[in-house]
Amino acid sequence: GQNIDQPTEMTATEGAIVQINCTYQTSGFNGLFWYQQHAGEAPTFLSYNVLDGLEEKGRFSSFLSRSKGYSYLLLKELQMKDSASYLCAADNYGQNFVFGPGTRLSVLP
Amino acid sequence: GAVVSQHPSRVICKSGTSVKIECRSLDFQATTMFWYRQFPKQSLMLMATSNEGSKATYEQGVEKDKFLINHASLTLSTLTVTSAHPEDSSFYICSARDSTPSGANVLTFGAGSRLTVL
Repeated sequence: GQNIDQPTEMTATEGAIVQINCTYQTSGFNGLFWYQQHAGEAPTFLSYNVLDGLEEKGRFSSFLSRSKGYSYLLLKELQMKDSASYLCAADNYGQNFVFGPGTRLSVLP
Repeated sequence: GAVVSQHPSRVICKSGTSVKIECRSLDFQATTMFWYRQFPKQSLMLMATSNEGSKATYEQGVEKDKFLINHASLTLSTLTVTSAHPEDSSFYICSARDSTPSGANVLTFGAGSRLTVL
């Protein structure tokens, strides 16, 4: 079967660091996507990890461990505009993409 | 980067009518496009995979006669909600994967279509 799990909700303070975890179990796996989605809008691409390790892109970093079926998205220097849902998705060799339930992040002043 | 255009962004229709939503890849060809449905405060639910020149692959529980998908060209897929009912009201999003060398295999989403059935 295919299953992706991530926390439903998280809260953090402006300026802080937050880590959003994602665990996955899929029949096929090529890589792990992270997307940001603001309410009422389409998801926007944040990162795509194929190899193990940490990839940094500005305030956002994403980590992947293929052997553990685990990924996380790290957000630094949180801003109010970072309040959104964060979706992780497993790439099944492009045949389909299995999305997690999404983590709703609330950034408080 | 890759751009996916989706229209209309909002549509209101009467119960019993049909609504067509278009999804276009603007600067790349997409042999496969994906259609999702999203309820408020919930994640994306894959409805079907649209394949250019062949029948769409529907996820379990999705009525293919209700949600007609046509992928007539490498840049256009359409979703038609037939005989719409209020329970079909939802946010529908399409996506396509840019598999070109510069596309980095990123899955790009359209802006979404909010359907309200009265």
